[in-house]
Amino acid sequence: TQLLEQSPQFLSIQEGENLTVYCNSSSVFSSLQWYRQEPGEGPVLLVTVVTGGEVKKLKRLTFQFGDARKDSSLHITAAQPGDTGLYLCAGARNQFYFGTGTSLTVIP
Amino acid sequence: DTEVTQTPKHLVMGMTNKKSLKCEQHMGHRAMYWYKQKAKKPPELMFVYSYEKLSINESVPSRFSPECPNSSLLNLHLHALQPEDSALYLCASSQAQGALTYGYTFGSGTRLTVV
Repeated sequence: TQLLEQSPQFLSIQEGENLTVYCNSSSVFSSLQWYRQEPGEGPVLLVTVVTGGEVKKLKRLTFQFGDARKDSSLHITAAQPGDTGLYLCAGARNQFYFGTGTSLTVIP
Repeated sequence: DTEVTQTPKHLVMGMTNKKSLKCEQHMGHRAMYWYKQKAKKPPELMFVYSYEKLSINESVPSRFSPECPNSSLLNLHLHALQPEDSALYLCASSQAQGALTYGYTFGSGTRLTVV
């Protein structure tokens, strides 16, 4: 049983479309991170959210931490082929837990 | 320096070979980690070193042997691996094992193929 469930697991969209990835848990986390991983590379940290209800923006990416600090979402506006990769949420409690992952493909 | 450097980037080894993966960071982080990752799956924790001492071993087979010679270096010694051990091996570091608020810094990984 995974502590952090991501949905969808796979997503294939056309360039220019919008999308949202969800990261859900029944447990409370002190912080949540989002990573993007390109094939053959290590995960790269995109953002950390710490406060319940917090919203952070990184260019076309918007990250939200749930009020109860149990879930998070990542919204991408006008997706581009360079956004293609594996998106991982990760939560910190007594240790570090990765989500199940969302594989995104943006088709030119 | 804000990087974690892993070498080699690619490794092909036979089932009777002995090889080592190396990881280095100069950020002053006191916790270092080894993860194994299969394609399009999340990384799976293997080992955690905290202040150069082995803190967590996630029931990893003894054919994987970690070593932390000093606070900047982490090695993973490989011996008698199986084809199912083929994967991307990732090293990561954080300020301390309990200080996880700001996440990990990952290396680019070693793509290991066992033939």
